[in-house]
Amino acid sequence: AQKVTQAQTEISVVEKEDVTLDCVYETRDTTYYLFWYKQPPSGELVFLIRRNSFDEQNEISGRYSWNFQKSTSSFNFTITASQVVDSAVYFCALKSGNQFYFGTGTSLTVIP
Amino acid sequence: NAGVTQTPKFQVLKTGQSMTLQCAQDMNHNSMYWYRQDPGMGLRLIYYSASEGTTDKGEVPNGYNVSRLNKREFSLRLESAAPSQTSVYFCASSVHLTSSSGYTFGSGTRLTVV
Repeated sequence: AQKVTQAQTEISVVEKEDVTLDCVYETRDTTYYLFWYKQPPSGELVFLIRRNSFDEQNEISGRYSWNFQKSTSSFNFTITASQVVDSAVYFCALKSGNQFYFGTGTSLTVIP
Repeated sequence: NAGVTQTPKFQVLKTGQSMTLQCAQDMNHNSMYWYRQDPGMGLRLIYYSASEGTTDKGEVPNGYNVSRLNKREFSLRLESAAPSQTSVYFCASSVHLTSSSGYTFGSGTRLTVV
């Protein structure tokens, strides 16, 4: 069965702190894709990153970084030096075959 | 800007009323989707359309119907709205069903059924 688990429902951090959002996935497929989406208070869903199952290289984009570890079936997302504008709900998702599987989201609040 | 456009953004319905949520994309994508988002439930697939002329049920299709009017447009209809259908609805599209690219989402429709 395919499944995405985001165990952290809500996280609060003080501005400039680092924060890591956890994502654990389950799949038996050897080819799959992992995604992170951001949903700010305005409600739209914004694509952040895609990773395929054959590429375990970590990625850094500005203050954002992603750690993909197949051994632990995890695809964690770290925000360095958080800012108030990072406050949002973040969704991790798994694409396997025709289907997209979303986690339940982690609500991040960055306190000024 | 290219993307997915949903209308309306907000809607209040009385129980039993019907309405259609509209969705259009201008990216020449083949596949389109309707999701609902509820607190603590993440995004759940209602219906999808792999290509023009085809539609299939997703995880939670009951109480909904869809129409893939053409390649650009994919509408979602509630024939007899129920309070359980109060939710935020997102339309999305992708190049094709098995595309490795992510979805492009619309900005959502917040529906309240009273």
